[in-house]
Amino acid sequence: AQSVTQPDIHITVSEGASLELRCNYSYGATPYLFWYVQSPGQGLQLLLKYFSGDTLVQGIKGFEAEFKRSQSSFNLRKPSVHWSDAAEYFCAVAKLRDDKIIFGKGTRLHILP
Amino acid sequence: EAGVVQSPRYKIIEKKQPVAFWCNPISGHNTLYWYLQNLGQGPELLIRYENEEAVDDSQLPKDRFSAERLKGVDSTLKIQPAELGDSAVYLCASRGGGTDTQYFGPGTRLTVL
Repeated sequence: AQSVTQPDIHITVSEGASLELRCNYSYGATPYLFWYVQSPGQGLQLLLKYFSGDTLVQGIKGFEAEFKRSQSSFNLRKPSVHWSDAAEYFCAVAKLRDDKIIFGKGTRLHILP
Repeated sequence: EAGVVQSPRYKIIEKKQPVAFWCNPISGHNTLYWYLQNLGQGPELLIRYENEEAVDDSQLPKDRFSAERLKGVDSTLKIQPAELGDSAVYLCASRGGGTDTQYFGPGTRLTVL
């Protein structure tokens, strides 16, 4: 069965600092991978997705993620965070391109001024 | 373009009462999803519709939950009777128009007292 692990429940970084959110997945074949962000009281917004091709994926709001098959990881990065990036971030996996998405438990990002 | 619309945004009911949530997907999106998001967790799929057909309802607790999408557009999710453990956020998402991306609504936060 597919699963997603986000080992960090909370992460705190200073504004302007770099960010990396960790995500590990469990799936036998090449999965379809996603990162979503959820601000308080808001629905989930897709930051980026990986289906195939270049393993470094660029997303919205200056985020990027790198698919590493050998490590079963899909970590999210941003070189310089802004206070508005404070939110909950979910890594997710799907078996097929249009299949149901399995979400991790999320990482809550806090930004220090 | 309007996003996924959900109503109500918040609902407080007493246990054993019925409750219904409504979702209007993005125009032209044939696929509609209902997700349950418990506090501190990622969303979990309850049911997926392709047009008016429920193609995956394996995670829907059918003893008390029901859903319908009669004309293949908007959808209603019902709980009857509600239990304390049903307190959560209920998210609706839609996909279509040739895109692989699921677009999420803001959710309905249900509190069962």
